[in-house]
Amino acid sequence: QLQLQDSGPGLVKPSETLSLTCTVSGSSISTTSHYWSWIRQSPGKGLQWIGSISYRGITSYSPSFQTRVTISVDTSKNQFSLRLSSVTAADTAVYYCARRTDWVGDLSSPFFDYWGQGTLVTVSS
Amino acid sequence: DIQMTQSPSSLSASVGDRVTITCRASQSINSYLNWYQQKPGKAPKLLIYAASNLQSGVPSRFSGSGSGTDFTLTISGLQPEDFATYFCQQSYSTLTFGGGTKVEI
Repeated sequence: QLQLQDSGPGLVKPSETLSLTCTVSGSSISTTSHYWSWIRQSPGKGLQWIGSISYRGITSYSPSFQTRVTISVDTSKNQFSLRLSSVTAADTAVYYCARRTDWVGDLSSPFFDYWGQGTLVTVSS
Repeated sequence: DIQMTQSPSSLSASVGDRVTITCRASQSINSYLNWYQQKPGKAPKLLIYAASNLQSGVPSRFSGSGSGTDFTLTISGLQPEDFATYFCQQSYSTLTFGGGTKVEI
């Protein structure tokens, strides 16, 4: 059974960089049908897709985060990571890693079918 | 970005009720619409993908319909474990989620 485990600091100072890692177990991250993603949830903004990466390192980012986000993948460790720079209090949220599946047979409607447990990240001095 | 508007934002229901939640897109998204269930302190769980396709393992009392801009999630015969918040998500362009509908007793 595929499992995702996100990890990282729960407290980040304003203007610094938020870094989280997601470890995938139960299956290889090196699959062609899936993209490995970060999503966050806050009371003010709800659920927001941050970005996704393929095992080959092809990334797609939400325009809302494009200028300050980097997602990377390490296939040798079956992990992928998020870095979000220049954080402010508005970046306080629960951050989830998730697997995005783009195709089921000939049906396409990219969805998130496996999620990590979520990490609460608070931005505060 | 495409805006997803859910209604109602919350509703009260009883076990056994038929519940319908609506999601409206700010422009046509064909059938690129997915539904999730979230319980407090947990990650969202995929229920329906591509507007009307039931995810494996999800009970058949959940169903989805719609295309274009208007979509519905129906729960036929609400069960105690169905009290949760439900979100829609479009995948036609930059992925966005609806604001959620909380189903309460």
